[in-house]
Amino acid sequence: GDSVTQMEGPVTLSEEAFLTINCTYTATGYPSLFWYVQYPGEGLQLLLKATKADDKGSNKGFEATYRKETTSFHLEKGSVQVSDSAVYFCALVNQAGTALIFGKGTTLSVSS
Amino acid sequence: GAGVSQSPSNKVTEKGKDVELRCDPISGHTALYWYRQSLGQGLEFLIYFQGNSAPDKSGLPSDRFSAERTGGSVSTLTIQRTQQEDSAVYLCASSLNRGPRETQYFGPGTRLLVL
Repeated sequence: GDSVTQMEGPVTLSEEAFLTINCTYTATGYPSLFWYVQYPGEGLQLLLKATKADDKGSNKGFEATYRKETTSFHLEKGSVQVSDSAVYFCALVNQAGTALIFGKGTTLSVSS
Repeated sequence: GAGVSQSPSNKVTEKGKDVELRCDPISGHTALYWYRQSLGQGLEFLIYFQGNSAPDKSGLPSDRFSAERTGGSVSTLTIQRTQQEDSAVYLCASSLNRGPRETQYFGPGTRLLVL
């Protein structure tokens, strides 16, 4: 069945460091891919998405490119801030469009 | 505009009791989803509603779990004879339409603790 694998955390960085969180998927066809973020004490919110191969999603300085050759959707940011500390979830939509399938989540902690 | 709302925000119950969790989706959104977030299992899909179509119940963990959506809007998730392993955050989401490209918007969740 469809699945998402993302790197284990926690990831601990200093402010202004470069961030990569790896995400790979297994799915039938080419599903839409998403990154959701959960800030401390808040609900899940969409960070970015890509709906077809080679698309790049971007938001708030974060980027991820849909790579069908490597079935990956890695999240990157060039210079992280303390306010980026959160849990990041990679997800895909099943083919029927009825459910999001999430990775386990990666906790990011940024210190000043 | 208003986002997805859920109530209660927290619920503490005793093992064996029934609980009802409520979700108000974004106005105009036709698709509604329930998920569960627990430490051991991560984020799991439970059930999906789309308009008047039969719901996709494939994610419900047991027959103690049920959900309904009245009038194509508000949804209630019911857990009967709660068990300690039901303790989790229950998340509701809605999307404008069904489909693989649709963005789902999540509510703040209901934190359920079964003693």
